[in-house]
Amino acid sequence: AQRVTQPEKLLSVFKGAPVELKCNYSYSGSPELFWYVQYSRQRLQLLLRHISRESIKGFTADLNKGETSFHLKKPFAQEEDSAMYYCASRSVNTDKLIFGTGTRLQVFP
Amino acid sequence: KAGVTQTPRYLIKTRGQQVTLSCSPISGHRSVSWYQQTPGQGLQFLFEYFSETQRNKGNFPGRFSGRQFSNSRSEMNVSTLELGDSALYLCASSFEWGVYEQYFGPGTRLTVT
Repeated sequence: AQRVTQPEKLLSVFKGAPVELKCNYSYSGSPELFWYVQYSRQRLQLLLRHISRESIKGFTADLNKGETSFHLKKPFAQEEDSAMYYCASRSVNTDKLIFGTGTRLQVFP
Repeated sequence: KAGVTQTPRYLIKTRGQQVTLSCSPISGHRSVSWYQQTPGQGLQFLFEYFSETQRNKGNFPGRFSGRQFSNSRSEMNVSTLELGDSALYLCASSFEWGVYEQYFGPGTRLTVT
């Protein structure tokens, strides 16, 4: 079954430190992968998707098919990055969007 | 463009009752998906509608149902409510199904007592 795993419920870093939010997926085909973010009192919104290969707000994510991972990275965390981050995958076969359980990122000043 | 709207925003029901939640997608969007968000299970896919047809369904019991109207507005219904149905129900719309970005609504907070 299609599954997305985010092993960390909470990640706390200081401003300026590097950040890596882990995401692993289990799917034998070629999934489409996303990172969604939810800032306090705001709606869930798309942060980035692997097919676009772009950097949004300094965040990047690389799909590693060998490790079935799609970790989210930022070299220098900012306080405004504090939010809930969800990794999600959509299979080509079913089109269902499956979310991980989320990681709360706290960036301290 | 106005964003995705969901009504009502908050709802309190008792066990055994039924409830209907409404979602209005962004104008021009034809695909609507529903998710249940709980602290324990996170975001779980309920179903997706496109052009009034259910395209996809998650692993939820038959008590959970939905529909989409010709104007793309969607409703979901939960019958015979259980305590475990207490959750935030999120609706998301996209231009079409597939690779298009989903835009989420603010959610309806359902509490079952």
